[in-house]
Amino acid sequence: QQQVKQSPQSLIVQKGGIPIINCAYENTAFDYFPWYQQFPGKGPALLIAIRPDVSEKKEGRFTISFNKSAKQFSLHIMDSQPGDSATYFCAASENGNKLVFGAGTILRVKS
Amino acid sequence: DAGITQSPRHKVTETGTPVTLRCHQTENHRYMYWYRQDPGHGLRLIHYSYGVKDTDKGEVSDGYSVSRSKTEDFLLTLESATSSQTSVYFCAIRGQGNSPLHFGNGTRLTVT
Repeated sequence: QQQVKQSPQSLIVQKGGIPIINCAYENTAFDYFPWYQQFPGKGPALLIAIRPDVSEKKEGRFTISFNKSAKQFSLHIMDSQPGDSATYFCAASENGNKLVFGAGTILRVKS
Repeated sequence: DAGITQSPRHKVTETGTPVTLRCHQTENHRYMYWYRQDPGHGLRLIHYSYGVKDTDKGEVSDGYSVSRSKTEDFLLTLESATSSQTSVYFCAIRGQGNSPLHFGNGTRLTVT
């Protein structure tokens, strides 16, 4: 069973648009929710992470929104650029150990 | 790449043969992980280690074994490779406490 469900599978936006990727989880013991960005031929790289004591976190053009009661969190990319085209993974864990990943979203930003 | 080297980067092998993938880190981190990445499944944990000679199973451990005889090296072995083990394998490391997970650049394994 997939503990973290991610949607959509793929997403195409125009340059400057705001792609939104959503994730839902089941395990209420999860207390760490990172997002990873992966380019072809590379390993995933940490983009931004949030803990359930806050509802939003921003780092540059990337924002995580977190809804603890709904057990959902999402990634927003402001002013998206062609260089943001990549695969994005949400993940969750207890105490940062044994991360469980979503299935991934392939994002393409058209110039 | 957070001081992580995976070898080999690519390997093609035949069904039934043993295969060992190596992960080497220069960060002296305690925790090391092996994940596999498959379309539609994201990354799934195979095995992990929380210290020398201390390992445990992950979500998809069947058909895989691991060993960690030194802090810097974590080996993943497929005792008898099957076509279902064709995948991209990623090693990851993590320090103490709330340190984030850092990934290597992967090994693409094809079992024919």
